[in-house]
Amino acid sequence: EAGVVQSPRYKIIEKKQPVAFWCNPISGHNTLYWYRQNLGQGPELLIRYENEEAVDDSQLPKDRFSAERLKGVDSTLKIQPAELGDSAVYLCASSRGQTVPELFFGEGSRLTVL
Amino acid sequence: QQPVQSPQAVILREGEDAVINCSSSKALYSVHWYRQKHGEAPVFLMILLKGGEQKGHEKISASFNEKKQQSSLYLTASQLSYSGTYFCGTPFSNAGNMLTFGGGTRLMVKP
Repeated sequence: EAGVVQSPRYKIIEKKQPVAFWCNPISGHNTLYWYRQNLGQGPELLIRYENEEAVDDSQLPKDRFSAERLKGVDSTLKIQPAELGDSAVYLCASSRGQTVPELFFGEGSRLTVL
Repeated sequence: QQPVQSPQAVILREGEDAVINCSSSKALYSVHWYRQKHGEAPVFLMILLKGGEQKGHEKISASFNEKKQQSSLYLTASQLSYSGTYFCGTPFSNAGNMLTFGGGTRLMVKP
């Protein structure tokens, strides 16, 4: 079974530029999360999807962050414009459902904003 | 509210034991444990449920004290492969896998 796939693995941009991250969850996983992980810290939740619906985006900084999950499969997280403080690893995770304990994480996209 | 983990870091020799604690200021119904090796994705270890039911995949044990709002992860006779950062996660609501994670405990096992 293929795992959660994220791209790009690494991205370096200058501040004020836009950036996008892509996530392909495990086939059949309806629930998808985006987390942000700062260096030396635990993952912080940004948004949760159930199929194509964003059911919890209360943690997403909506002034510059946006996300979508078209057709309830792949998802994209966008930052526009990026700020220095956005440097972090952006993790995508999926599960069979919100009541299923195990989350499967991707390896993440490491963003460096200069 | 983010759970609090202790200690922040542990260095062990192979074969030694370690305990990692996770505390919450709110009532807990479940605690989830993950391990993340450097540069890799976090991997699910186990879930502790209110009432004592435990679900996991590896030979690492854990306890869940509802009254103290605390969970502890026990690594016995540690192996080199146990090295990594351990995170506990607690659900935003009473149940489910939408988690808020602790700051992590870095475990290094030396030969």
